[in-house]
Amino acid sequence: DAKTTQPTSMDCAEGRAANLPCNHSTISGNEYVYWYRQIHSQGPQYIIHGLKNNETNEMASLIITEDRKSSTLILPHATLRDTAVYYCIVRGLSGNTPLVFGKGTRLSVIA
Amino acid sequence: DARVTQTPRDKVTEMGQEVTMRCQPILGHNTVFWYRQTMMQGLELLAYFRNRAPLDDSGMPKDRFSAEMPDATLATLKIQPSEPRDSAVYFCASGSYTGSLFHGYTFGSGTRLTVV
Repeated sequence: DAKTTQPTSMDCAEGRAANLPCNHSTISGNEYVYWYRQIHSQGPQYIIHGLKNNETNEMASLIITEDRKSSTLILPHATLRDTAVYYCIVRGLSGNTPLVFGKGTRLSVIA
Repeated sequence: DARVTQTPRDKVTEMGQEVTMRCQPILGHNTVFWYRQTMMQGLELLAYFRNRAPLDDSGMPKDRFSAEMPDATLATLKIQPSEPRDSAVYFCASGSYTGSLFHGYTFGSGTRLTVV
């Protein structure tokens, strides 16, 4: 899997948008960008994934740069319950490729 | 929502004892993963199965760890003998693939293992 780089930690005020960056400069053409998060004491939870187009679902938006070397996960209106570690993972669609987690970004949403 | 069920939730055991952790994947998911999480190492992949057959267990210490899927509804991870350094949270995840199309993983709540 291509390596990703994320900031160790970030703070966000409650109600504001949280923008979490991820660098993946060695991503190859058939690899997707996945985002998972892990709330304290729980298993990781899928958020969103994309290949090259921007994606949006009920949880978040994913913005991928045109050269695909970086992406940003956007939580439009962060709440205290969004406090978690957020993992950006690059992975191909091959059925034999598991998710490999890095250290992620610890997001603290502050009231 | 469909869930991955892991038992036990917490386990405290003495060094040298056998530990068995169980996972019930989501019905219809054909791929099962075992991860271990510690503060120092983060989330590490131990092993995974496709259609009950082991695909990769290179992340597992072979001398003491074993992973099996006796049937499609049960995956087990055993440690024998357990050591204090095995203390961690062990997560099971299941996912489904159709050919090469990946449909995503769902993680269980984990088993917190403490070896004293």
